[in-house]
Amino acid sequence: DIQMTQSPSSLSASVGDRVTITCRASQSISNYLNWYQQKPGKAPKVLMYAASSLQRGVPSRFSGSGSGTDFTLTISSLQPEDFATYYCQQSHSTPYTFGPGTKLQIK
Amino acid sequence: QLQLQESGPGLVKPSETLSLTCTVSGGSISSSSYYWGWIRQPPGKGLEWMGSVYYSGTAFYNPSLKSRVTMSVDTSKNQFSLKLTSVTAADTAVFYCVRVAAYQLLYYYMDVWGKGTTVTVSS
Repeated sequence: DIQMTQSPSSLSASVGDRVTITCRASQSISNYLNWYQQKPGKAPKVLMYAASSLQRGVPSRFSGSGSGTDFTLTISSLQPEDFATYYCQQSHSTPYTFGPGTKLQIK
Repeated sequence: QLQLQESGPGLVKPSETLSLTCTVSGGSISSSSYYWGWIRQPPGKGLEWMGSVYYSGTAFYNPSLKSRVTMSVDTSKNQFSLKLTSVTAADTAVFYCVRVAAYQLLYYYMDVWGKGTTVTVSS
């Protein structure tokens, strides 16, 4: 199985900050990488797919990059509704696997 | 727009079979453009892909679940289902049904999620 790691595991930031979350795969996954946002008690929501494609309806302050084993999700200017947990997920091969999550908290 | 709704018992006894159904509304489960799947999340933990199924019945499962998992589709009811046998307390989780989209028929991602249903395994 492909193992996914994320850093940091938690992050405190302020509204308006630029934030970057990193995801690493245990082997090359090209750009088969998705990002999800989950708020407490809610289902996850896809933000990015194919590493850098923005899902319809997701604000443009979200962006993704990377290829191979190293990926990033960037939020250019944090908004109050962005405080949540973020997961990366590889779709290069089954079993699809998720990273452990990055909890973004208000400073 | 397309919506997914999970249903099934919220409490299952150890060693028994967990059965959940996901009802698709606002679209057809028989669309050739999508797979359907199940994701689970133990309390306070991360997400685990359990498997995906195509409307034809072709399914892919997470090997970690070994032979305990079966997924099926009922196109006449616009539903798909999950069965997990021989459950233990470790199977306690929120279970989400999802639609799996395929961008350019290559890049798979879960683009629609149900609200999730909590299943507790306890005697």
